[in-house]
Amino acid sequence: DVVMTQSPLSLPVTLGQPASISCRSSQSLVYSDGNTYLNWFQQRPGQSPRRLIYKVSNRDSGVPDRFSGSGSGTDFTLKISRVEAEDVGVYYCMQGTLLITFGQGTRLEIK
Amino acid sequence: EVQLVESGGGLVQPGGSLRLSCAASGFTFSSYSMNWVRQAPGKGPEWVSSISRSGSAIYYADSVKGRFTISRDNAKNSLYLQMNSLRDEDTAVYYCARDLKSGSSSWGQGTLVTVSS
Repeated sequence: DVVMTQSPLSLPVTLGQPASISCRSSQSLVYSDGNTYLNWFQQRPGQSPRRLIYKVSNRDSGVPDRFSGSGSGTDFTLKISRVEAEDVGVYYCMQGTLLITFGQGTRLEIK
Repeated sequence: EVQLVESGGGLVQPGGSLRLSCAASGFTFSSYSMNWVRQAPGKGPEWVSSISRSGSAIYYADSVKGRFTISRDNAKNSLYLQMNSLRDEDTAVYYCARDLKSGSSSWGQGTLVTVSS
């Protein structure tokens, strides 16, 4: 099984400041078709998860451009350029290269 | 508008069975692979099962293999999850989800399954 490890698990951020979440996989996420199936999800309190980023760096429709994804192989990062109040919630990375596995989540809160 | 509406959750005793349904609308259901994902109280999401567009390819998490069965009816725009031999640790909100890996992703609001005596 592919294990996804996120850090930090808790992320207090001042409004307007940047934030960064790391996600590491236990093996390379490069699939045989050349794609890397690493996605990022946001779950606001009381809501279903919502995908923000797919295949490392592609923003989903309607996702603000302050969210960006990067990385390769086994190391990936989600960045928020300027945190807003609506960004509070838990963020999960997910790999879809070998079945599907989620990270344990990073809770973003406003400092 | 894409809509996924789960139903069928409830309270069941350990060892019991439940069948979850997911009604899809707003898109061509037969063109998308579908998934079940669950989330135990206070925990992160856990992938449960996936089914291809035609139903010919099916995958399960080890935690449910042999106990759960995923299926779909493209004529009825519906996804199902038959859950047998339920355990306490199967207690969770169960979500129906489209396109987890790429394409246009969408999740339902979930249905709560509680396994308890």
